[in-house]
Amino acid sequence: SQTIHQWPATLVQPVGSPLSLECTVEGTSNPNLYWYRQAAGRGLQLLFYSVGIGQISSEVPQNLSASRPQDRQFILSSKKLLLSDSGFYLCAWSTLYPPEGGYTFGSGTRLTVV
Amino acid sequence: KNEVEQSPQNLTAQEGEFITINCSYSVGISALHWLQQHPGGGIVSLFMLSSGKKKHGRLIATINIQEKHSSLHITASHPRDSAVYICAATNTGNQFYFGTGTSLTVIP
Repeated sequence: SQTIHQWPATLVQPVGSPLSLECTVEGTSNPNLYWYRQAAGRGLQLLFYSVGIGQISSEVPQNLSASRPQDRQFILSSKKLLLSDSGFYLCAWSTLYPPEGGYTFGSGTRLTVV
Repeated sequence: KNEVEQSPQNLTAQEGEFITINCSYSVGISALHWLQQHPGGGIVSLFMLSSGKKKHGRLIATINIQEKHSSLHITASHPRDSAVYICAATNTGNQFYFGTGTSLTVIP
């Protein structure tokens, strides 16, 4: 069966520090991968998506970046965090034509930048 | 204006009540999703539909493509249904457009 792992679950980082959030998928190959952010009191915002290794599409300008070094690994990074980067980050995956239920989300990372 | 609008933003219901959450979208879509976000943040995909109506247990989702409108219904609501329900539209490029969610509280 397919599973998605995301870590860490919570993170407190000082302003200006680097960030690395990792997401891995098991039990499938060539998934579409996504990074979302949910800021306090706001809906989900798509940050990046990837349809293959090394293929990253960015949806919003920001100081974050994403990489996909392996087929089932998706990494969200920042060189210098801003206070506005605080939020709840979700990784997700889907097949190109998803079955009933569609997309699968990770458990999320709550990031607080102090 | 958001591409996906949900209403109401907040909803409180008594256990057993029939609940409806509405979603309107302005983009061309390939599918409409209903997601459930639990208080801890975990998200579960409830439905993906592109036409008609789907039912899982006490949950029913409908979509009217001509009117660009979808509804999520919960029959015989229960306190464990308390969560944030999010409508999302995907286009043929597999891009998501999310509503801001409806926070549902079901009181025993």
